[in-house]
Amino acid sequence: DAGITQSPRHKVTETGTPVTLRCHQTENHRYMYWYRQDPGHGLRLIHYSYGVKDTDKGEVSDGYSVSRSKTEDFLLTLESATSSQTSVYFCAISESMAGEYNEQFFGPGTRLTVL
Amino acid sequence: QQPVQSPQAVILREGEDAVINCSSSKALYSVHWYRQKHGEAPVFLMILLKGGEQKGHEKISASFNEKKQQSSLYLTASQLSYSGTYFCGTEKADSNYQLIWGAGTKLIIKP
Repeated sequence: DAGITQSPRHKVTETGTPVTLRCHQTENHRYMYWYRQDPGHGLRLIHYSYGVKDTDKGEVSDGYSVSRSKTEDFLLTLESATSSQTSVYFCAISESMAGEYNEQFFGPGTRLTVL
Repeated sequence: QQPVQSPQAVILREGEDAVINCSSSKALYSVHWYRQKHGEAPVFLMILLKGGEQKGHEKISASFNEKKQQSSLYLTASQLSYSGTYFCGTEKADSNYQLIWGAGTKLIIKP
C-alpha cells in the first residue's frame, strides 16, 4: 500500500471555526490532491499541488485553502467551517500528472462534521 | 461537467457478469476506473488513454470509445470481493491535471 496518512481521521467542529486537515506521504510523489466525497456527487477536487509551494484550485475550492511547504505534507484549511463542508475528505497522491499512466493513491479519509 | 455512470446500482449472483458505463459530453483524453468498498478509500483499477493504450489489473477489462466519449468496465465471473462502488474519473485534454468523477455505480454480489 502507498504510504499515505491523514489526520485527524474524525473531527467534529462548530460553524465558524477554522479547521486544518493534514495529508502526509512517504512515497515522494510530486502530485497531491484534496477531494471531498458526498453522496450522489462522487469525488470532487478541492485543490491540488504539483510541487512544493505549487498549488491550484479544483472545482470546489471556495472556502478552502491549501499549503505545501514540504514534498510529504499537504494541508487543507477550512477558513471558517460551515455545515455545507460536512463531508468525507480524501487526500490522494500520484507520481505524474493525470493523463499519463498515473494512478492516484488515496489516503484513508477524514470524516468531518460541522455542527 | 460530471460524467454519467450507468447503471446506478446492480445486484448480481456470484459468477455472473456485469458492465458499467461512463459517458461524458466532453472530448476526453483519458478515463480512470476505481473501486471503493464501504468505509474505505478508492482503489485504482484501470486507466484508458485516448489512442487505445491502457493500464490496469489483469482480471479487469475495459474499453474506451473515443467517438462516443464513453468507457465501459467489464466484470466477468464476478466474485464476492468485487462488491463495492465503482467510480470513473474523466480527464479532458485541457483539464490541467484534473479528473472529474462520476457519481458511482454500486455493485452488490450475492453468493
